[in-house]
Amino acid sequence: QVQLQESGPGLVKPSETLSLTCTVSGGSISGYYWSWIRQPPGKGLEWIGDIYYSGSTNYNPSLKSRVAISVDTSKNQFSLKVSSVTAADTAVYYCARDLGKYGSSWYGVDYWGQGTLVTVSS
Amino acid sequence: EIVLTQSPATLSLSPGERATLSCRASQSVSSYLAWYQQKPGQAPRLLIYDASNRATGIPARFSGSGSGTDFTLTISSLEPEDFAVYYCQHRGNWPPYTFGQGTKLEIK
Repeated sequence: QVQLQESGPGLVKPSETLSLTCTVSGGSISGYYWSWIRQPPGKGLEWIGDIYYSGSTNYNPSLKSRVAISVDTSKNQFSLKVSSVTAADTAVYYCARDLGKYGSSWYGVDYWGQGTLVTVSS
Repeated sequence: EIVLTQSPATLSLSPGERATLSCRASQSVSSYLAWYQQKPGQAPRLLIYDASNRATGIPARFSGSGSGTDFTLTISSLEPEDFAVYYCQHRGNWPPYTFGQGTKLEIK
């Protein structure tokens, strides 16, 4: 059974950098896309970006200038950095596995971490 | 950016009734659409992938249909545990792979 676990500070000061790591257990990081998705309190889901196990990335243009996603296959981990944070970046951050497209089908985002609340406040 | 618009925002039904949720894309996403269920305090759960395929372990009362720009999630006979928020998401040709704003399915 694949499990994902987010880790990182729950409180970040405005203008600083938010850093989260997702550790994947019960399966290999190879062969899949690994996503970061966030959800502000009481609101909907926002796709931040993803990374293929080989290192190629896709980002949401609305955040692209402030976001970086990286992968460490030796540790079965991937990470998120969001720079110059403001209160608008306060959200539950989820890491997740996207099965990607094979042939003419997309297999969806099948495994999610439990989510971690990051609050931006001084 | 492809915008996904879900309707209705809130759907009030009783257990045993049929639920029909809509997701409309601002441009074609082919069949690259998924549906998720989210309960309070939990991560979303994949229900349907590639528009019409049930994910592993999802009951047969959940079904998806559509292609291009118009998609539907149908729950044939609501169980008490089905009352939750439902999101659609696309993985079209270009990022961002956006979500719809959600439909809240509440008990009438």
